[in-house]
Amino acid sequence: GNSVTQMEGPVTLSEEAFLTINCTYTATGYPSLFWYVQYPGEGLQLLLKATKADDKGSNKGFEATYRKETTSFHLEKGSVQVSDSAVYFCALGIQGAQKLVFGQGTRLTINP
Amino acid sequence: NAGVTQTPKFRILKIGQSMTLQCTQDMNHNYMYWYRQDPGMGLKLIYYSVGAGITDKGEVPNGYNVSRSTTEDFPLRLELAAPSQTSVYFCASLGGGSFGTGELFFGEGSRLTVL
Repeated sequence: GNSVTQMEGPVTLSEEAFLTINCTYTATGYPSLFWYVQYPGEGLQLLLKATKADDKGSNKGFEATYRKETTSFHLEKGSVQVSDSAVYFCALGIQGAQKLVFGQGTRLTINP
Repeated sequence: NAGVTQTPKFRILKIGQSMTLQCTQDMNHNYMYWYRQDPGMGLKLIYYSVGAGITDKGEVPNGYNVSRSTTEDFPLRLELAAPSQTSVYFCASLGGGSFGTGELFFGEGSRLTVL
């Protein structure tokens, strides 16, 4: 079946630190991969996506590369800010499928 | 463009009461979803709909019902509320076609407490 596994949280970093949140997946077929972000008190919103192997999604200084050989889509940012504190969800979607498969979410806290 | 609108934002229910969470989207999306998010946890799919008149169960449908009479509206009904239904509920709709390239648009959430 299709599933997504994220690194356990919570993750706490200092401002300007380098961030990596790991995400691996199993899928039948060729999925598209997504990172969603949930800021405190809000719904989820799309942060970035990649639709095929070796694609890199990027937005707001975050990046993730679709690695088919390692079935991974790790989220990275070179220098985090306090405003990046949120819960991050990795997800996959299969072309023609009716549902998105979410990971369990990783809570990130950035201290000034 | 309002996107996905949920009401109410907050509600306290007594055990055994019933209520309906409203969800409306103005983007003409066919696919709509209801998720619940328990404290410190991820999302669990309750019900979804691929178009007006069509609904299907997700992972945790027990204790809930849905209907989809129009493209815009996808209400979620809680019958005989129980403390286990205390959660934050999110409605979402899918833009851009299938999940191969699509994006989910979420409402702001409805926080429900059952006492």
